[in-house]
Parts: sequence; structure tokens; C-alpha cells
Amino acid sequence: EPEVTQTPSHQVTQMGQEVILRCVPISNHLYFYWYRQILGQKVEFLVSFYNNEISEKSEIFDDQFSVERPDGSNFTLKIRSTKLEDSAMYFCASKLVGPNTDTQYFGPGTRLTVL
Amino acid sequence: QKEVEQNSGPLSVPEGAIASLNCTYSDRGSQSFFWYRQYSGKSPELIMSIYSNGDKEDGRFTAQLNKASQYVSLLIRDSQPSDSATYLCAVNVWGFKTIFGAGTRLFVKA
Repeated sequence: EPEVTQTPSHQVTQMGQEVILRCVPISNHLYFYWYRQILGQKVEFLVSFYNNEISEKSEIFDDQFSVERPDGSNFTLKIRSTKLEDSAMYFCASKLVGPNTDTQYFGPGTRLTVL
Repeated sequence: QKEVEQNSGPLSVPEGAIASLNCTYSDRGSQSFFWYRQYSGKSPELIMSIYSNGDKEDGRFTAQLNKASQYVSLLIRDSQPSDSATYLCAVNVWGFKTIFGAGTRLFVKA
């Protein structure tokens, strides 16, 4: 069964450094998402992406964040200058296009630790 | 501010019992509704989606939607210890944004 994959599974970085989190969505899916979950807190929407542009973003997704689909398979989240409070699990998700196909399928996540 | 509210629990039920999980949402424009299960340290795993008022059954799981009351529920019949997890209610409003509730922790005692 096809699944969303994410790399790395765990990323440790120093405050102020740039990180790129990578995702490979399910191959025939056309909507892509990033979410984050701070330890012990709820899953928070960051951004949605469709047709090579951002569809919607949350207030969390400020100028420090960017997303890109550099090729036909990868979907990346870049954090330019990490802060301690960026430490969280980051989940990528993807979904099909069409009626009653709102279901998003989640990848296993990347645990980001900012020191 | 669009909100999805869940009782954080923990909800504790004996093995074989019915677990009932509830969720309310604030935006009447919400179109689709989901229940995800999340084990500690893992990603959300879809259990059920529901789009129209009424009940939807899938195996031991039944989702119920009442748009007039802005209420979604999940029933788990014949609860098993492996069902012990956090259950997340998620709501899509028009557009591309999904809002999650904080989740209800369920413990099924053997």
C-alpha cells in the first residue's frame, strides 16, 4: 500500500541554523500539507500546497518557513533560522483531488530538536 | 477563530466495553470530519471519515455526525487493549486547512 515517507526521522540542530525536512507524498496525490506537533500538544496546521503554490498557511507559518516541490516527488519544508520553540514533530500529509476525497494520509514524522 | 473541542480524558473502559468519544466544532462551514488514532510518538492514523449527517460504520467503529449541533462522535465497540491511544477529531472547513482537536486519551483495561 502506498504511503507518505519523511526524512530524516530525527534532526538535531543548533539554534539559528537552517533545516530542510523532506517528504515524499503518495504518488498520485496532488495536495500536500505540513503540520507540527509540539510534545504533549495538538497537531497544528502549518501550510497546504497545491498546483505548485501555497493554498493556505497558518499564523505559525511566518517568513522563517518556506515550502517547495523541487521535483515530481519531493515536498520540502525549510526553516531558515531555527528557534528553540521550533522543536516539535513535523508531519507531512497528502491527499487526492476530488469529491469526498478529503482524507489526508500522514507520514511518520520528523522529530526536530533545536539546541 | 475556528475551534475543535474534545474532552482530554483520560477515558478508561474495560476490555469488551463500548468507548464513546465526542467532539464539537465551532465553524458551521465545516465540510468533512475525521477521526484519527495516534499512538505515543507516532503519526496520526485515519480511522474514519464522515461527510454527511448520520452514522457511518466500519467494523468496530461507528462515527456519528450532527451538523445542526456541530457534533461528531466515535463509538468503539468491543474495545481492546490495543485501542489504547489518543483519538484526534479533525475538521476541514472550506479551503485547504484542517483543524485538529487536542485529542482524547483512551485506556482500555484488560
